[in-house]
Amino acid sequence: AQSVTQPDIHITVSEGASLELRCNYSYGATPYLFWYVQSPGQGLQLLLKYFSGDTLVQGIKGFEAEFKRSQSSFNLRKPSVHWSDAAEYFCAVGAGYGGATNKLIFGTGTLLAVQP
Amino acid sequence: DTGVSQDPRHKITKRGQNVTFRCDPISEHNRLYWYRQTLGQGPEFLTYFQNEAQLEKSRLLSDRFSAERPKGSFSTLEIQRTEQGDSAMYLCASSLATGGPDTQYFGPGTRLTVL
Repeated sequence: AQSVTQPDIHITVSEGASLELRCNYSYGATPYLFWYVQSPGQGLQLLLKYFSGDTLVQGIKGFEAEFKRSQSSFNLRKPSVHWSDAAEYFCAVGAGYGGATNKLIFGTGTLLAVQP
Repeated sequence: DTGVSQDPRHKITKRGQNVTFRCDPISEHNRLYWYRQTLGQGPEFLTYFQNEAQLEKSRLLSDRFSAERPKGSFSTLEIQRTEQGDSAMYLCASSLATGGPDTQYFGPGTRLTVL
């Protein structure tokens, strides 16, 4: 079955430190992968996506993610975290047919806290 | 370019009442999705439309739930005879599907509390 695992429920980092959020997926076909960020009480904002091509993708707010097919992973990274990055982060895989993403399957999220 | 909007943002109702939520997608988007998110969980897919056609419904969508997109623009999600277990954030997303993978853009959500 299609699934997404985010092993870290809660992560705390110091401001200015580097960040890596882990995401593993299980999907039989070519995965379409996404990272979204959610601030408290808000909807989801797209950070970045991977459809094909270069396995290192750049997103907004200085985030990047690397697709590793051999490890079924799509980890999110940022070299220097800002206090405003505190939020919940969701990894998702697009499930569908015919090359379309008919729905997203989300992980349970990683809550990021940033210490001053 | 306005984003996806949802109305109301918050709804408090008593068990057994009916509620209806509205979603207005990004104007040129032909696909519209509904998701439900409970506390501490990621969003779960409920249903989606391509234009006015409802193409897929999750098993999560019980008979008390109905969604429409009558003219292929805005959509409504109705919950009849609400139960406390329906308390959640209901998220709407839209995308432009052109045959390949599409990117979904989310609205701010409607927070439902059933007392």
